Amino acid sequence: EIVMTQSPATLSVSPGERATLSCRASQSVSSNLAWYQQKPGQTPRLLIYGASTRATGIPDRFSGSGSGTEFTLTISSLQSEDFAVYYCQQYNNWPITFGQGTRLEIK
Amino acid sequence: QVQLVESGGGVVQPGRSLRLSCAASGFTFRSYGMHWVRQAPGKGLEWVAVIGDNGNKKYYGDSVKGRFTISRDNSKTTLYLEVNSLTPEDTAVYYCAKEGAFNNWYFDLWGRGTLVTVSS
Repeated sequence: EIVMTQSPATLSVSPGERATLSCRASQSVSSNLAWYQQKPGQTPRLLIYGASTRATGIPDRFSGSGSGTEFTLTISSLQSEDFAVYYCQQYNNWPITFGQGTRLEIK
Repeated sequence: QVQLVESGGGVVQPGRSLRLSCAASGFTFRSYGMHWVRQAPGKGLEWVAVIGDNGNKKYYGDSVKGRFTISRDNSKTTLYLEVNSLTPEDTAVYYCAKEGAFNNWYFDLWGRGTLVTVSS
């Protein structure tokens, strides 16, 4: 099983600033990496797939990068609605696995 | 309207069974693999199972293998999850999710989930 490790567990950032979230895979997942946003009491929302492709309707302040084992989600200028938990997910190998999440909170 | 609607959750005693359903609408259900993903209270996401577009391929997470069975009825555009031999560790919100593209197992559509609580 591929283990996905996200860092940091919690990130405190001020509105308008940049946030950088990391995700590391225990072995290569090529570019088969997705990012999701989940707000309290809500369903996860797909942000990025293929490591760097924004999903439909996702603002361009969200960007993804990386391949192999190291991935990054960057939010260029944080808006109030961006404070949430973010998960990475690999879909290169069975079983599909998620990272444990990064909580992005208001500083 | 493109949506997934889960049902069938509830409170169940350890060792008992439930059948979860997920009604799909607004897209060509038969063309996509479908998944179940669960989330224990206050915890992260855990992938549970997948079924191929025509039901020919099924994979399960290690924690549910041998106890859970995924199935689908394309004529009814409905996904199912039979959950057996439940333990308290199976307590979670169970989401059904649609794969983003054929054989690309990221999830671009999620249901709102159905809560399964395993408790005596």
